[in-house]
Amino acid sequence: TQLLEQSPQFLSIQEGENLTVYCNSSSVFSSLQWYRQEPGEGPVLLVTVVTGGEVKKLKRLTFQFGDARKDSSLHITAAQPGDTGLYLCAIRSNQFYFGTGTSLTVIP
Amino acid sequence: DSGVTQTPKHLITATGQRVTLRCSPRSGDLSVYWYQQSLDQGLQFLIQYYNGEERAKGNILERFSAQQFPDLHSELNLSSLELGDSALYFCASSRGGLTDTQYFGPGTRLTVL
Repeated sequence: TQLLEQSPQFLSIQEGENLTVYCNSSSVFSSLQWYRQEPGEGPVLLVTVVTGGEVKKLKRLTFQFGDARKDSSLHITAAQPGDTGLYLCAIRSNQFYFGTGTSLTVIP
Repeated sequence: DSGVTQTPKHLITATGQRVTLRCSPRSGDLSVYWYQQSLDQGLQFLIQYYNGEERAKGNILERFSAQQFPDLHSELNLSSLELGDSALYFCASSRGGLTDTQYFGPGTRLTVL
């Protein structure tokens, strides 16, 4: 049983399209992080959200933490090939837990 | 480049063998974390060290052990290797504790034949 479930598992879209990926759990968290991992590299932190309902923007990426702090979403506007990668959500309690991941491919 | 270095980049070995993976954290970082990433299990936290002491423990098997040395580099030892241990092993480092940003190294790809 995974603590953090991400959906969809795979996503392939055309350049310029918008997309949303989700991170869900039945547990409440004090904070949540999103990472992007490119092939052959380690994950890179994109953002940390800490307040229920919080929205953070990073250029074309919009992150939202659910009001109940049990879920989060990542929306990408006008996707570009450089957005291709594995998107992981993660939480930290007494240790770190990563989600199942969404593998995104943006086709030029 | 995150500033975290890992060696070797690739490692191929046989079942039953023992290997050591090495990690050098970013300059000034006191915490080192080890993770295992496989297709079926995803990214799993193994263990964290802070300034030489074990700080947090995750899903680390008894066949695996780690340590952090006085110069802050860390080693992950994997013994009695099984086919299922084939995975990417990542090291990450941060300034201090669990609330700090982690910077991941490029990983070591272990293949057990």
